[in-house]
Formats: sequence, C-alpha cells, structure tokens
Amino acid sequence: QITLKESGPALVKPTQTLTLTCTFSGFSLTNSGVGVAWIRQPPGKALEWLSVIYWDDDKRYSPSLKSRLTIAKDTSQNQVVLTLTNMDPADTATYYCAHSPIAVLPVGANLYSYYYMDVWGEGTTVTVS
Amino acid sequence: ELVLTQSPGTLSLSPGERATLSCRASQSLSSSYLAWYQQKPGQAPRLLVYGASRRATGIPDRFSGSGSGTDFTLTISRLESEDFAVYYCQQSGSSQWTFGQGTKVEI
Repeated sequence: QITLKESGPALVKPTQTLTLTCTFSGFSLTNSGVGVAWIRQPPGKALEWLSVIYWDDDKRYSPSLKSRLTIAKDTSQNQVVLTLTNMDPADTATYYCAHSPIAVLPVGANLYSYYYMDVWGEGTTVTVS
Repeated sequence: ELVLTQSPGTLSLSPGERATLSCRASQSLSSSYLAWYQQKPGQAPRLLVYGASRRATGIPDRFSGSGSGTDFTLTISRLESEDFAVYYCQQSGSSQWTFGQGTKVEI
C-alpha cells in the first residue's frame, strides 16, 4: 500500500525559505519509472503543479517558480524535499505530494508511457504572514 | 506553456443525470499524457482517469474519459450523490505539467 505524508511549518514569514518534506512508504525512488510530484492549492483556487523528481534524478519545475524551487530525494529515508525561497503571501496554500509513476503499457502492438499522479498525501497547509 | 481550459466552470445537475465535462488543450497533446482528478472539499484530489480513457484502480465504470488531440471529455453516466465535486484535467505532455482551472459539479 502506497502512502505519502507532507510535513513542514504551518507558518512562515515573507522572504523566508519554505522547506517541505514528503515521507512515503510502499514504493522506492530507486526503482525505474517511479517519481514524486509536488502540487499546491491556494485557498478556494485551482491546483497548481510545482515540481516532479524521478528515480533517475530527472527533475522538472514549474516555469513560473523555477528560480525559487528546488526538489531533491533522499532514497535512504524514503523522502522528497521541496524548498521554495523568498516566500510571499501569494504562496499561502495547501501543499501536496503525490506518487507519480511512468507506466509503460501495451496498446495493440505498441507500448505507450503514461504519466499521472495516482496516490496523494493529505496535504499540509502553509500560511505566509 | 501548454494551457488547459475546462468548461463549463460549473455544472448544475441532479442525481441520475449525465455529466459531460470538457478539457481543451492549447496545443495538441498525446492522450497518454491527459488525466482527470476529482476533489471534494477538504480532501486531496483522487485520480479518476489517466491516458485520457483508462480508469484508475477502483474507479466505478460510470466514469469514462475520451478524446484526443486538443479536446478531451470526462463523462459521468449517472450522477450519484458522492460525485458532486470539483473535477480537474491535467497534462504531463510537456516538461512543465499543468492543470485546468476545474469544473464544479453541483446539485
């Protein structure tokens, strides 16, 4: 059974750096095709994808936040850490991490790679004030 | 950046009715990169469909996804009380993933 749990400060001040940890179980980030993504949701607003890291250390970032974001994995601890620098009240949101596999499945005679986020943590709320 | 536009913003329906939700991409997208999620108040999103039409594990067959290119659809054949929620489409086809703005299905 795959589970993920986010942890970090509930309150940060403007200009500070936010560090969030996603601790997971039920899978390993050393296995091919495995990834962990971060997503956030400001109060009353839509979901916003932030970043993803894969088993091979491939990393992707939201272009609008790329200069402020860093994602890293600690496979020995089964953790993924996301840092967001220079926090602003507009960064107030619930932050989620999610299991993001790449599934290679046959469709007829061909193989296709499918990307999705199939198991999510419960989220952690961060207020910038 | 690949933009996803969902319509309508809100869908007002009754239990038992059919819901049709649209997701339009700003450029052509392989269907293997399109997913749909359901979110209820105070809860994390739940994966419903991936690869545009593949139901995730444990998802009832009243949920179905279709589409290709730039136009994708999530259909709920007969709404049940637990289906009233917000639905998001999401793409992983570019190196920067994006979500649509969501469609609220309300009673």
